[in-house]
Amino acid sequence: SQELEQSPQSLIVQEGKNLTINCTSSKTLYGLYWYKQKYGEGLIFLMMLQKGGEEKSHEKITAKLDEKKQQSSLHITASQPSHAGIYLCGADRARGAQKLVFGQGTRLTINP
Amino acid sequence: GAGVSQSPSNKVTEKGKDVELRCDPISGHTALYWYRQSLGQGLEFLIYFQGNSAPDKSGLPSDRFSAERTGGSVSTLTIQRTQQEDSAVYLCASSLGPGLATYEQYFGPGTRLTVT
Repeated sequence: SQELEQSPQSLIVQEGKNLTINCTSSKTLYGLYWYKQKYGEGLIFLMMLQKGGEEKSHEKITAKLDEKKQQSSLHITASQPSHAGIYLCGADRARGAQKLVFGQGTRLTINP
Repeated sequence: GAGVSQSPSNKVTEKGKDVELRCDPISGHTALYWYRQSLGQGLEFLIYFQGNSAPDKSGLPSDRFSAERTGGSVSTLTIQRTQQEDSAVYLCASSLGPGLATYEQYFGPGTRLTVT
């Protein structure tokens, strides 16, 4: 089984709607990263969360870390076509190690 | 400024041939990582370089895989006697760290390797 489980695996929403993607770890989290990937463009760094309860926002994207539940959520408000892509969560398995393990990704499609 | 660059962007090779993939990290980044992304396995860690320290090779899937980092900058991932299961996108990333702090990793666009 995956160390990091993302849900849903794919998501189709209408433009303007809000959405949430979840990432749950089966092991202790020392750092949680969110990336976005578009075909041929590699991974784009979105946010990094380190402390329980931490919440960060960038434009219309907000990520939270629940350290007790070993879970992170990524929330997009008023989705736009530019938000379409694959969202990946990655986690550090040891403090500062940075050998990231990744979830399988969530494919987000935005319908106009 | 310039991000992480990788070359080639696409590589098609015959089974049994050797291939070399190149990564140019962001200037000043001391840490460099190689990952592989395939349909069946998702994104998985391969190898990690930090400064002049011995690389962490714990993610390399077999002894056909090796990597070098020359002068603390450019890295080359070599796959010998390629097999069809080696087909994947190979991603390189660099970061300022690590250390006690945790630094974000910046990824290159990847090299798509197809073994026929």
